[in-house]
Amino acid sequence: EVQLVQSGAEVKKPGESLRISCKGSGYSFTSYWISWVRQMPGKGLEWMGRIDPSDSYTNYSPSFQGHVTISADKSISTAYLQWSSLKASDTAMYYCARQDNPYGMDVWGQGTTVTVSS
Amino acid sequence: DIQMTQSPSSLSASVGDRVTITCRASQSISSYLNWYQQKPGKAPKLLIYAASSLQSGVPSRFSGSGSGTDFTLTISSLQPEDFATYYCQQSYSTHPITFGQGTRLEIK
Repeated sequence: EVQLVQSGAEVKKPGESLRISCKGSGYSFTSYWISWVRQMPGKGLEWMGRIDPSDSYTNYSPSFQGHVTISADKSISTAYLQWSSLKASDTAMYYCARQDNPYGMDVWGQGTTVTVSS
Repeated sequence: DIQMTQSPSSLSASVGDRVTITCRASQSISSYLNWYQQKPGKAPKLLIYAASSLQSGVPSRFSGSGSGTDFTLTISSLQPEDFATYYCQQSYSTHPITFGQGTRLEIK
């Protein structure tokens, strides 16, 4: 079965760092991009950026550039989303998704809830 | 950025109704348009890719059409499990990829 499994919910304080993960299985991890998508409470989907796991090439939405870092370790079929200094406004659900560009995001992780509160 | 605008933002309909949701791009995106369904507390699900291709496993009551700047998602006969929020997304440009604001489909 093709699936993406994300790491568990996180509760952090402002200014703390965080890395969440997304592990792919059941397919060739280096054959598809991985995108990260944010969904703030009660809001829509926002694309944050993506990585090509074959060469770790990334590109980011201008809205997120400089605030998050996307990386991948193809040896363990895992992509990461990390923050060096969280803000309360980072409180959201974060999804990873397999991207069969340009044909859409066809496999999604279950989501990781990040709560940032003092 | 390519802006994606969906209409309506919300919609009330009954089981068995035919429903159409539209998505307009701020510039031509050829057929690089995808549709997703999201139910509360769940991850989005890809329904339609490349404007009109049905994703594997998606019921045939869902269909998509359009090219250039104007696109539609049609549900031919609403079923109880179709009440959800629907998003369009352009994949013409990855700088950045953009979603529409969503259309919430509610039971009348």
